[in-house]
Amino acid sequence: GESVGLHLPTLSVQEGDNSIINCAYSNSASDYFIWYKQESGKGPQFIIDIRSNMDKRQGQRVTVLLNKTVKHLSLQIAATQPGDSAVYFCAEMGAGNMLTFGGGTRLMVKP
Amino acid sequence: EAGVAQSPRYKIIEKRQSVAFWCNPISGHATLYWYQQILGQGPKLLIQFQNNGVVDDSQLPKDRFSAERLKGVDSTLKIQPAKLEDSAVYLCASSQQQGYGYTFGSGTRLTVV
Repeated sequence: GESVGLHLPTLSVQEGDNSIINCAYSNSASDYFIWYKQESGKGPQFIIDIRSNMDKRQGQRVTVLLNKTVKHLSLQIAATQPGDSAVYFCAEMGAGNMLTFGGGTRLMVKP
Repeated sequence: EAGVAQSPRYKIIEKRQSVAFWCNPISGHATLYWYQQILGQGPKLLIQFQNNGVVDDSQLPKDRFSAERLKGVDSTLKIQPAKLEDSAVYLCASSQQQGYGYTFGSGTRLTVV
């Protein structure tokens, strides 16, 4: 079935370093992708999105890259801060306008 | 703008009991979703509403789960009877229009013992 997966379940980085979280998706028909951040006890929080007609989109300290050829999505966080510690999910949207989530990557920021 | 409101925040019930969750989406958001998130996993869609109509409930275990969105605003999700494997966080989300990202509530953590 359609699925969205992540390569690394846990990522540990030093405060101030850049973080890269990767995601592979399987549905080539998906045309909208979103990264969500989820802190303990809270619902997923929108970080950044990208549509399939783009390959890069930048926000404040975050960049999303989309490689449709290999069906790969990545989230880059610049100058990672302790407040960035959370679980990050990529999600894809295709037909039916419903988001399908992957399993998540836990980002741990060491002071 | 007020966020998506959910209640209760926590619920502990015994197996075979019933439970209901409530969601109030962001004002003006026509589309509402219920997701189930088992510990350590990503959220899984249960049902999608557009106004007060069901768009997709293919992943909803209809023998025990039911959901409604009367008047196209608030929604309730019910489980009857509950099983141990229903222990999860139940997330409600809404979006202003289809094809855009959702805003999630904080969820209801259900523990079935």
